[in-house]
Amino acid sequence: SQQGEEDPQALSIQEGENATMNCSYKTSINNLQWYRQNSGRGLVHLILIRSNEREKHSGRLRVTLDTSKKSSSLLITASRAADTASYFCATAPGGSEKLVFGKGMKLTVNP
Amino acid sequence: DTAVSQTPKYLVTQMGNDKSIKCEQNLGHDTMYWYKQDSKKFLKIMFSYNNKELIINETVPNRFSPKSPDKAHLNLHINSLELGDSAVYFCASSRTGWSQPQHFGDGTRLSIL
Repeated sequence: SQQGEEDPQALSIQEGENATMNCSYKTSINNLQWYRQNSGRGLVHLILIRSNEREKHSGRLRVTLDTSKKSSSLLITASRAADTASYFCATAPGGSEKLVFGKGMKLTVNP
Repeated sequence: DTAVSQTPKYLVTQMGNDKSIKCEQNLGHDTMYWYKQDSKKFLKIMFSYNNKELIINETVPNRFSPKSPDKAHLNLHINSLELGDSAVYFCASSRTGWSQPQHFGDGTRLSIL
């Protein structure tokens, strides 16, 4: 079964607004990663947050991790049309080397 | 200066044929992967190699055979193609270690007629 589940599955916002995506997972993890996939392209790694971290920032991205609730959120501030993509969370269940990806969430940023 | 490159980008072929997809990375990574992404964007790992040694082999039909001639290359050969093999196949690479960030190629879209 899926380790990570993104929520919502689709989000449409206006340029300049913030976008928040959530990810829930089931087992203990070493870290949680977020990836972006533009249409017709491969996944691009955005940010990694370790299990002992609660929050991490990278440019307009802010990721939080709550290991007690087994959930993470990705916030994109001041969104741009170029942020339109699918976003995936990924975890390695049980500390394995295998990354398991969620189903993905489609973000549309309207100009 | 492409980091992970896979060829071909598109592959259209008949059921029953045999085909190969090639992947090369110039990042100096020791670990390489093959993923299958279905029409609903569900991404599932198929294989992983570390320094030419198979370390992850998911439940994949044995019609799929990966080959790693060296740590910079991981090819995927598929025998007797079936309709259900239609998908986008991604190659990725990473440094060795627990759940390291992965770098993906742009995928090979395989369509079976």
